[in-house]
Amino acid sequence: QKEVEQNSGPLSVPEGAIASLNCTYSDRGSQSFFWYRQYSGKSPELIMFIYSNGDKEDGRFTAQLNKASQYVSLLIRDSQPSDSATYLCAVPGMNYGGSQGNLIFGKGTKLSVKP
Amino acid sequence: ETGVTQSPTHLIKTRGQQVTLRCSSQSGHNTVSWYQQALGQGPQFIFQYYREEENGRGNFPPRFSGLQFPNYSSELNVNALELDDSALYLCASSPGGSDEQFFGPGTRLTVL
Repeated sequence: QKEVEQNSGPLSVPEGAIASLNCTYSDRGSQSFFWYRQYSGKSPELIMFIYSNGDKEDGRFTAQLNKASQYVSLLIRDSQPSDSATYLCAVPGMNYGGSQGNLIFGKGTKLSVKP
Repeated sequence: ETGVTQSPTHLIKTRGQQVTLRCSSQSGHNTVSWYQQALGQGPQFIFQYYREEENGRGNFPPRFSGLQFPNYSSELNVNALELDDSALYLCASSPGGSDEQFFGPGTRLTVL
């Protein structure tokens, strides 16, 4: 059974700081990793995905993957109050052949950016 | 390009009743997955539909069932509702050959 672990938080950072969100996963064979942002009462929104070891940058967001340590992180630079949300880490579960499989999610880390 | 849509937005039912939730996938996406998200938890996979057939199922009882139509839209049916079925139900669609899943706005189901 694949598992994804995240610290539930809340993680509180001041406006303008770097927020660092972490995720570990159980299956060493996992190949792709996803970060979703979920505002309170809303649905998850895909913000980053990463397949290869190392860093991937997109605007203020950087995803970091370390497959040897089974660890993936999301850095948010110049954090804004509008970044306050729950961040969900996900990995693919079963591949059902002919289609994409399901995603296995962590419980999410709640981020609060204080003005 | 139209995103994933779901209906209804909110729903209140009583124990023992049945409910049908609907989802229209994003244009060009042929795979639809359904998830249940309880408060404070990550989404839990219910099942997936591909080419109008169930193509994978999570740890949910048979009273959770679904359909996919030729236009790739989908329904989730839940029979004999229980209090613990109260949750946000999310539909996600995927384009062929991609792991990325894009979520609709969800249906908030309350069972009294």
